[in-house]
Amino acid sequence: AQTVTQSQPEMSVQEAETVTLSCTYDTSESDYYLFWYKQPPSRQMILVIRQEAYKQQNATENRFSVNFQKAAKSFSLKISDSQLGDAAMYFCAYRRYYGGSQGNLIFGKGTKLSVKP
Amino acid sequence: EAQVTQNPRYLITVTGKKLTVTCSQNMNHEYMSWYRQDPGLGLRQIYYSMNVEVTDKGDVPEGYKVSRKEKRNFPLILESPSPNQTSLYFCASSPDRRDSRNTGELFFGEGSRLTVL
Repeated sequence: AQTVTQSQPEMSVQEAETVTLSCTYDTSESDYYLFWYKQPPSRQMILVIRQEAYKQQNATENRFSVNFQKAAKSFSLKISDSQLGDAAMYFCAYRRYYGGSQGNLIFGKGTKLSVKP
Repeated sequence: EAQVTQNPRYLITVTGKKLTVTCSQNMNHEYMSWYRQDPGLGLRQIYYSMNVEVTDKGDVPEGYKVSRKEKRNFPLILESPSPNQTSLYFCASSPDRRDSRNTGELFFGEGSRLTVL
């Protein structure tokens, strides 16, 4: 079974600094997606960034970028120029392809990010 | 506006009193799913549905029922709620993999906070 591990339950960063959240996953599949979702205090689940496993280039979305290491099964999120609004719970998630369908979204347990002014 | 709508958003009930949490999406998505979120455990899947009349158990299905009679609706039923079902519940949907809109992403409702006394 696929699993997603976030080894940092809590992280803290100074405003305007850079922080990296770690995520590893376990799968025997070769075709899958990886995601980072953000959950602010409002409890909404907001997609931050996504990566398709077949793409070697790391995804970027403005201040957010990932370091995708397929062989190591690692998918870390880097937040540059951290802002107060980045304070949230961050979930790493995995979704596999199989046949003509896609599997269920499997989440890590989350990393709570605090941003200090 | 494309969205997933859950109701109720907040509910306090008592042990044994049957309740239904509704979920509706207006994006014509084939795939729908229910998750529960508990502190320290992340989001765990309860049930999912690949299409109308097709449902299957997720990781924590005990105590829950679902149905998918129409494409847009996927209600979650708690026949006899117990205190261990106190949680934050999310409904989510996504298009089929073969849909040109598909990015693998799940679209989430705003969550339903359920308390069982």
